[in-house]
Amino acid sequence: DAMVIQNPRYQVTQFGKPVTLSCSQTLNHNVMYWYQQKSSQAPKLLFHYYDKDFNNEADTPDNFQSRRPNTSFCFLDIRSPGLGDAAMYLCATSRDLLGSEATNEKLFFGSGTQLSVL
Amino acid sequence: AQSVTQPDIHITVSEGASLELRCNYSYGATPYLFWYVQSPGQGLQLLLKYFSGDTLVQGIKGFEAEFKRSQSSFNLRKPSVHWSDAAEYFCAVGASSGAGSYQLTFGKGTKLSVIP
Repeated sequence: DAMVIQNPRYQVTQFGKPVTLSCSQTLNHNVMYWYQQKSSQAPKLLFHYYDKDFNNEADTPDNFQSRRPNTSFCFLDIRSPGLGDAAMYLCATSRDLLGSEATNEKLFFGSGTQLSVL
Repeated sequence: AQSVTQPDIHITVSEGASLELRCNYSYGATPYLFWYVQSPGQGLQLLLKYFSGDTLVQGIKGFEAEFKRSQSSFNLRKPSVHWSDAAEYFCAVGASSGAGSYQLTFGKGTKLSVIP
């Protein structure tokens, strides 16, 4: 059974039209992450939530926002998508912040949402 | 800043052959090192990780990796590849983000194709 669920699997949006990607988890993990993975590139961390605390990576564009209304759900909002934002967006969770319990840590990833911008 | 280099973009091996995927990292302190695998249409799955201790670590699906500090490497190996191992493999380093926690920096990945 999927534990980190991302919807939709494929998303097409228009240039400049706001779009929201969804992630839910059944693991009751404290931490949820959003990664951007462009073609032939490494997954890049955009931000993460530790419970309700939002942590933005320094180089994440302002165009990207996130919401976590409860433990189970986390959303990625792209306010004005550009052609350069076309990518696979991966959601991941971890029980706690990485580093707090090293021997048992790992990230649980969803299958991703492939975003196309027309 | 930390970085991860996977020199091989795409590797093709025959089923039953041995496999080695290369990973080099750059990080000022003792690194936490990981290998993740991504099958088509799936999320990333942890294969193995190194935090400390024995430099040869065993993972799932018959994979192992060896940490070599002198070479800043953490190469992934498997003695006999199965067709189901065809996937993309990502090496990652855990770099401190303060207060005892860390975040992962991924390499660009190596795509593995397996010939029957």
